[in-house]
Amino acid sequence: EADIYQTPRYLVIGTGKKITLECSQTMGHDKMYWYQQDPGMELHLIHYSYGVNSTEKGDLSSESTVSRIRTEHFPLTLESARPSHTSQYLCASSDGRSTGELFFGEGSRLTVL
Amino acid sequence: DAKTTQPNSMESNEEEPVHLPCNHSTISGTDYIHWYRQLPSQGPEYVIHGLTSNVNNRMASLAIAEDRKSSTLILHRATLRDAAVYYCILRASNYQLIWGAGTKLIIKP
Repeated sequence: EADIYQTPRYLVIGTGKKITLECSQTMGHDKMYWYQQDPGMELHLIHYSYGVNSTEKGDLSSESTVSRIRTEHFPLTLESARPSHTSQYLCASSDGRSTGELFFGEGSRLTVL
Repeated sequence: DAKTTQPNSMESNEEEPVHLPCNHSTISGTDYIHWYRQLPSQGPEYVIHGLTSNVNNRMASLAIAEDRKSSTLILHRATLRDAAVYYCILRASNYQLIWGAGTKLIIKP
């Protein structure tokens, strides 16, 4: 069982609202990731972190921002949601081994009206 | 970054073995081959990984070609719960994973 949790699982919100997607892991992993996935499509890395106070942008440009103040917590924020942000957001973590597997949360499905 | 190529979908009968192919002709010497699967409405789940030698675990086996340009994930006895999208991914030395569209595995009862 993976100990990585995402909230909310589902969120429907109006345009212009600020939202924060929460991600927490209890495995003490240094590396954490946010992926974006549209239905039936591949995962795209939008943010990652190699430890506290470390954040980097991923391969896919995103208007979201992230923070890593604590090892276990890696929230993603959208300051002003738009319909184009409608997607599934998946959080993952891994340990420091070069072959360490990724543990994923169940995802947060965001719909912006 | 090296990419992988997989069939869009495959069908198999329940209780039979399944061989899921993956081509990665541009793989570099330090890239690990990872397999994940994603069940409907869930996040991906790690299945297996390898570098050069064939690997076995409780979920599956991974057969890697001698030139490492292709690999095959083997489910020895598929069940309905194995119906998922299976991703073959190369993990580079910077630890990043490049995900493709994967293979949708359909299991027929």
